[in-house]
Amino acid sequence: EPEVTQTPSHQVTQMGQEVILRCVPISNHLYFYWYRQILGQKVEFLVSFYNNEISEKSEIFDDQFSVERPDGSNFTLKIRSTKLEDSAMYFCASRAGTGTGELFFGEGSRLTVL
Amino acid sequence: AQTVTQSQPEMSVQEAETVTLSCTYDTSESNYYLFWYKQPPSRQMILVIRQEAYKQQNATENRFSVNFQKAAKSFSLKISDSQLGDTAMYFCAFILYNNNDMRFGAGTRLTVKP
Repeated sequence: EPEVTQTPSHQVTQMGQEVILRCVPISNHLYFYWYRQILGQKVEFLVSFYNNEISEKSEIFDDQFSVERPDGSNFTLKIRSTKLEDSAMYFCASRAGTGTGELFFGEGSRLTVL
Repeated sequence: AQTVTQSQPEMSVQEAETVTLSCTYDTSESNYYLFWYKQPPSRQMILVIRQEAYKQQNATENRFSVNFQKAAKSFSLKISDSQLGDTAMYFCAFILYNNNDMRFGAGTRLTVKP
């Protein structure tokens, strides 16, 4: 069964460093998402991406964050100058279209900022 | 703005018994989807059940069923014959029909006791 894959599964970085989290969405899906979950807390929407541009973003998704789909398969989240509070699980998701509404999630990338 | 509220942070149930998880939401729109996602300790969020707002009939998937009350904006999940493998975080989620932003509730941690 097709699935969303994410790398790395866990990344440890120093505060102030840049981090890139990678996702490979399901191949025929059109909508891509990043969500964040601070340990044991709520799943928070960061950004959605459609037709090679951001379609929605939350107040969390400030200038520190960026997304791109560089090669038609990968979907990346870049966090510039990481802060301690960026430590969280980051989930990528994809959706085929608006018809079903269902999002398919990857297993997540755990980011630890020291 | 759409909001999703899960008022039960934690619940427990004896194996083989039935448990109901509550969810309410707030929207002024009439076309949307509601979901229950399960997040076991392995972290990946898995769709449990989906309900389209235009359908009056409550969705059912094997041991999982919902009680969808559109006027009350309520969407509860009933798990029958609970199994140890049902132990997980359960998230209620909402997405507008033609929108890209899926909103999650804070989650309910369910423990099934042997």
